[in-house]
Amino acid sequence: KQEVTQIPAALSVPEGENLVLNCSFTDSAIYNLQWFRQDPGKGLTSLLLIQSSQREQTSGRLNASLDKSSGRSTLYIAASQPGDSATYLCAVLDDKIIFGKGTRLHILP
Amino acid sequence: NAGVTQTPKFQVLKTGQSMTLQCAQDMNHNSMYWYRQDPGMGLRLIYYSASEGTTDKGEVPNGYNVSRLNKREFSLRLESAAPSQTSVYFCASSELLAGLYFGPGTRLTVL
Repeated sequence: KQEVTQIPAALSVPEGENLVLNCSFTDSAIYNLQWFRQDPGKGLTSLLLIQSSQREQTSGRLNASLDKSSGRSTLYIAASQPGDSATYLCAVLDDKIIFGKGTRLHILP
Repeated sequence: NAGVTQTPKFQVLKTGQSMTLQCAQDMNHNSMYWYRQDPGMGLRLIYYSASEGTTDKGEVPNGYNVSRLNKREFSLRLESAAPSQTSVYFCASSELLAGLYFGPGTRLTVL
């Protein structure tokens, strides 16, 4: 049974720092992995989708990597800003879609 | 291109009332989903539809019914609302190579 874990559950960092959010999964036979952002009281916004054949995807200050053999994905945020404060979730897409419980990120001005 | 749309945005019901949450997508995705999100519980799958004409139970289907009306539309019905169904409901659609996309959510309160 696929399990997706995100550590840490919460993270506070000063503005301007680079940071890494982690997502691990137990079954490497996945189709895709997707990162989402959720602001309080809002829906989930797709950030990056990594196909199983890819190793990374980039969008602006965000870079997501995928290592299927080790069951890990990371979301790298460069030069963090207060507007990056949100909950970040990863989801593994195979026969089912399994979500991690998210990392609540707070960027300190 | 609106993506995934949901109506209504907010709803208050009394215990025992019924209602239908509507969802539509314009991305030509085959699969559609209904999730609920409660504080501390994360996202939980209620029902999903892998393709037009098919529906399957998810993790928490009790008290709900769904209809995949056509490829675009997937509705969720509460036949007799209970306070335990107070939640935020999200519809989503997906296609394997395109990923998963969510609607803005419906905030439901059952008194």
